[in-house]
Amino acid sequence: GENVEQHPSTLSVQEGDSAVIKCTYSDSASNYFPWYKQELGKRPQLIIDIRSNVGEKKDQRIAVTLNKTAKHFSLHITETQPEDSAVYFCAAESAGGTSYGKLTFGQGTILTVHP
Amino acid sequence: DAGVTQSPTHLIKTRGQQVTLRCSPKSGHDTVSWYQQALGQGPQFIFQYYEEEERQRGNFPDRFSGHQFPNYSSELNVNALLLGDSALYLCASSPWVGSGNTIYFGEGSWLTVV
Repeated sequence: GENVEQHPSTLSVQEGDSAVIKCTYSDSASNYFPWYKQELGKRPQLIIDIRSNVGEKKDQRIAVTLNKTAKHFSLHITETQPEDSAVYFCAAESAGGTSYGKLTFGQGTILTVHP
Repeated sequence: DAGVTQSPTHLIKTRGQQVTLRCSPKSGHDTVSWYQQALGQGPQFIFQYYEEEERQRGNFPDRFSGHQFPNYSSELNVNALLLGDSALYLCASSPWVGSGNTIYFGEGSWLTVV
């Protein structure tokens, strides 16, 4: 089955700096890669996603890049703000057969943005 | 348009008891998946229901079972509760057809087993 590795496990930055979180996946058939932000005690909230037919997607201060050949994808947050502090999870959806809708998550990255 | 709704939000059970958690998917979605998120970890896939059948299952014992109703809502049942079952249980919904559909999570049900 799919395996997703996420790094780093913790990330501490100063307000205004950029933050980068990286994930690798094992199943070359995976073709959907969402990123979730989870604040303490709350559900994971989708912040951006990318599908395998594109290499990069941007939404204001957040961008995601995908390298299907190398089987890795990354989250980039620019001009970080204290409210960006949370746990971030990457995930991959296996494709084909009956695998639709099953997400495999990374271990999470605790992002702390210091004012 | 209601999103994914779950109930109850919090509950406390004793070891050996049984629990039932409920989920209503987002309007227009016919597929419901359940995830377990232990403290400090990412969500782990339990199983998925479509057309009232279990379609996929993760690495969870038979104590975890589910059901989907004709209106697409779903239940997660856990029997013979263990302390290690304490976690946030998340319901996710999506359309069945095709891959790459956005998957929406409910607020979750916090289960504490004492």
